[in-house]
Amino acid sequence: GAGVSQSPRYKVAKRGQDVALRCDPISGHVSLFWYQQALGQGPEFLTYFQNEAQLDKSGLPSDRFFAERPEGSVSTLKIQRTQQEDSAVYLCASSLETLGTGELFFGEGSRLTVL
Amino acid sequence: KQEVTQIPAALSVPEGENLVLNCSFTDSAIYNLQWFRQDPGKGLTSLLLIQSSQREQTSGRLNASLDKSSGRSTLYIAASQPGDSATYLCAVCANFNKFYFGSGTKLNVKP
Repeated sequence: GAGVSQSPRYKVAKRGQDVALRCDPISGHVSLFWYQQALGQGPEFLTYFQNEAQLDKSGLPSDRFFAERPEGSVSTLKIQRTQQEDSAVYLCASSLETLGTGELFFGEGSRLTVL
Repeated sequence: KQEVTQIPAALSVPEGENLVLNCSFTDSAIYNLQWFRQDPGKGLTSLLLIQSSQREQTSGRLNASLDKSSGRSTLYIAASQPGDSATYLCAVCANFNKFYFGSGTKLNVKP
């Protein structure tokens, strides 16, 4: 596609529900990132994929967060047993560079609200 | 851990004014620095990317400089327009795959 596509754009979940957020990166982009952005703050790193390999998941806040990119293209961020503190915008970015140091292209984000 | 600070947090200027946004970072061992623009409810749009070996980059009315040794970058916007109103974020790339973001400068350009 022309840009990074994320779905759903908005998700409301009851506390304790599981959610899945999808990211479709720019075709051919090797690197894929997930970031979490709280209101009024800059994005915070969650995890990084190089093709299908998850090379860095040091930013995932708890073991309730899980990300995958099984075929090296589309990625899913799953949050189990959602808590109110999980409410945020989840941003996906992709990059052509294999080292993860290249120009980042972001999607529009998925805004998660946990009630 | 890399800390990125952006000053000011908010800025309001009349249309046509030239302005400078500041970004500072604590660890000079970076691969590159990127400036982004974020409109309300939207994702981030890349404006300029400066590699660690470069001093500045220009795109249209935007000019970004990088002084790695002092841990500073500036984004200069010439002849500001109302359409420039947005939040501007800088991010430094460290540890080969981590970008550390500042909290942004919210710019309002008044017609």
